[in-house]
Amino acid sequence: QSALTQPPSASGSPGQSVTISCTGTSSDVGSYDYVSWYQHHPGTAPKLIIYEVTQRPSGVPDRFSGSKSGNTASLTVSGLQAEDEADYYCSSYAGRIQVVFGGGTKLTVL
Amino acid sequence: QLQLQESGPGLVKPSENLSLTCAVSGGSVRGGTYYWGWIRQPPGKGLEWIGSLYYSGSIFHNPSLKSRVTISVDTSKNQFSLKLNSVTAADTAVYYCARHSMVGANFDYWGLGTLVTVSS
Repeated sequence: QSALTQPPSASGSPGQSVTISCTGTSSDVGSYDYVSWYQHHPGTAPKLIIYEVTQRPSGVPDRFSGSKSGNTASLTVSGLQAEDEADYYCSSYAGRIQVVFGGGTKLTVL
Repeated sequence: QLQLQESGPGLVKPSENLSLTCAVSGGSVRGGTYYWGWIRQPPGKGLEWIGSLYYSGSIFHNPSLKSRVTISVDTSKNQFSLKLNSVTAADTAVYYCARHSMVGANFDYWGLGTLVTVSS
């Protein structure tokens, strides 16, 4: 069970869009439409922002969207705002009640 | 509103056992379609799933930690616990407890996390 691969950093200016990738394998991301994304401001609890690849929990702005192609899932943040600056983690169900997380991406709003 | 709160020693000596408890309020660990899990984040690193349980006793572990991990639930106290044996400095991390769905394993409620340092 290896960690999902995310770029360590991403950045964009206010108003722009940024996409963060999350690459797994055919045993996790590629096999299940159960990819989640979490926003984490240090010192706080991680917050679920996308589940089941594309679904947003109630209260999450529609500026956040998710997609998947093959073994790679992506999170797109549109209309970047200062408060979007945070660490973002993906996770995937990996069968038999196993979960694997990504290494995290630090998003900087320039 | 469901709330989770981790508690336990912040400092553990190498080779000893780490024990943490997650108190659940605003909801019950019993029933429903949710698992209760532990996740950790070593300093400067990403999140790592440790394991999860269902209140009736079904338990699932990360294979890399399985031999050292015990997860249990106390429904009378509405809490669940983590025990990690024979810790080393590599087990230094912020430990989170969280609830996740049975289908899809998305973690929708998290505790604030507690830092556990392994040092003599």
